Amino acid sequence: GAGVSQSPSNKVTEKGKDVELRCDPISGHTALYWYRQSLGQGLEFLIYFQGNSAPDKSGLPSDRFSAERTGGSVSTLTIQRTQQEDSAVYLCASSHGTSGVDTQYFGPGTRLTVL
Amino acid sequence: KQEVTQIPAALSVPEGENLVLNCSFTDSAIYNLQWFRQDPGKGLTSLLLIQSSQREQTSGRLNASLDKSSGRSTLYIAASQPGDSATYLCAVRRVNTGTASKLTFGTGTRLQVTL
Repeated sequence: GAGVSQSPSNKVTEKGKDVELRCDPISGHTALYWYRQSLGQGLEFLIYFQGNSAPDKSGLPSDRFSAERTGGSVSTLTIQRTQQEDSAVYLCASSHGTSGVDTQYFGPGTRLTVL
Repeated sequence: KQEVTQIPAALSVPEGENLVLNCSFTDSAIYNLQWFRQDPGKGLTSLLLIQSSQREQTSGRLNASLDKSSGRSTLYIAASQPGDSATYLCAVRRVNTGTASKLTFGTGTRLQVTL
């Protein structure tokens, strides 16, 4: 079946604008994760969903970042009033189990550039 | 706080060589460890997942070992091929407390296999 998909693949925005990034997980996967990959920072965890609830939001860097998941499927990561330091590749992953500790499958990412 | 380090940061080898990538982590209370590869402009592909109770996992030319007590894992690639060129990332998941599902990633090793 289809893997994890993300849209858009690339997004260029001006500082101060809001952006929305979308993730479609693998069908039937209950767990969904957002990560950020920045130059010099490596890959950092942002938020984890189990169904529609987010038991772990510890990685969100500021209150400008929020995410939601509806219907236990699609998730949207929103960044308000973007800053240049938000430029990164945003990766989404999903996994099958309810325990949240099985293999995570990653999407291709959204490359965000804030000018 | 868990810190994951990978050595070397970059590696170039001729085709056919066997090679070892290293991963070390500071907190041995892990639930499992996963090795990924990342190709330029693409997401992560899971290679091997080792549970904390296991010592190694094998898949084709890949073998990953885990020594939890010393905080180390190695990824062994046999008979390397140009198609193995990619960035290799290790990631650990700490002991499952119900919400501790995030992966903590290493800094990666960029591998180039030359003809």
